[in-house]
Amino acid sequence: GDSVTQMEGPVTLSEEAFLTINCTYTATGYPSLFWYVQYPGEGLQLLLKATKADDKGSNKGFEATYRKETTSFHLEKGSVQVSDSAVYFCALRRGATNKLIFGTGTLLAVQP
Amino acid sequence: DTAVSQTPKYLVTQMGNDKSIKCEQNLGHDTMYWYKQDSKKFLKIMFSYNNKELIINETVPNRFSPKSPDKAHLNLHINSLELGDSAVYFCASSQDTASGYGYTFGSGTRLTVV
Repeated sequence: GDSVTQMEGPVTLSEEAFLTINCTYTATGYPSLFWYVQYPGEGLQLLLKATKADDKGSNKGFEATYRKETTSFHLEKGSVQVSDSAVYFCALRRGATNKLIFGTGTLLAVQP
Repeated sequence: DTAVSQTPKYLVTQMGNDKSIKCEQNLGHDTMYWYKQDSKKFLKIMFSYNNKELIINETVPNRFSPKSPDKAHLNLHINSLELGDSAVYFCASSQDTASGYGYTFGSGTRLTVV
């Protein structure tokens, strides 16, 4: 069945460091792909999305490119801040019912 | 105005009790969902309703029963609570099942069964 695999965390970085969180997927067809962020004690918020191959989603300095050839959707940010500390979830969408299948989440901790 | 609101935010109860969690959205969305997040942060879909019709019913014990009185509300009732039901339950909504804009999540209900 469809699945999403994320790199295990925690990822610990210093402020202003470069961030990459890896995400790969297994699915039939070409699902839409998403990154969600969960801050402590809160629900998930949509960070960015891409709907077809080579699309780049971007928001708040974060970017991810839909790579069909490697079935990947890695999240990147050029310079992280302490306020980016959160759990990041990669997800794919199954079209017929709009079901989102999530990866296991990656905890990012940014130190000042 | 909160877009997707869940009540209660925290729920502590004893094994064997019956409890309900309520969810309301004011976004005018057609589709609503319940997800369970376990202690390792893993999220798994439980149910989904589209215009009050059940469209996703994952492998969930019969003790869990969703109810959607109208498309703005989706409640979750749990009978005979067990220790393993302890988790954070998230309600979410989306515009519909076709547009692919993603979900809007509520802030979660932390259920602790003792």
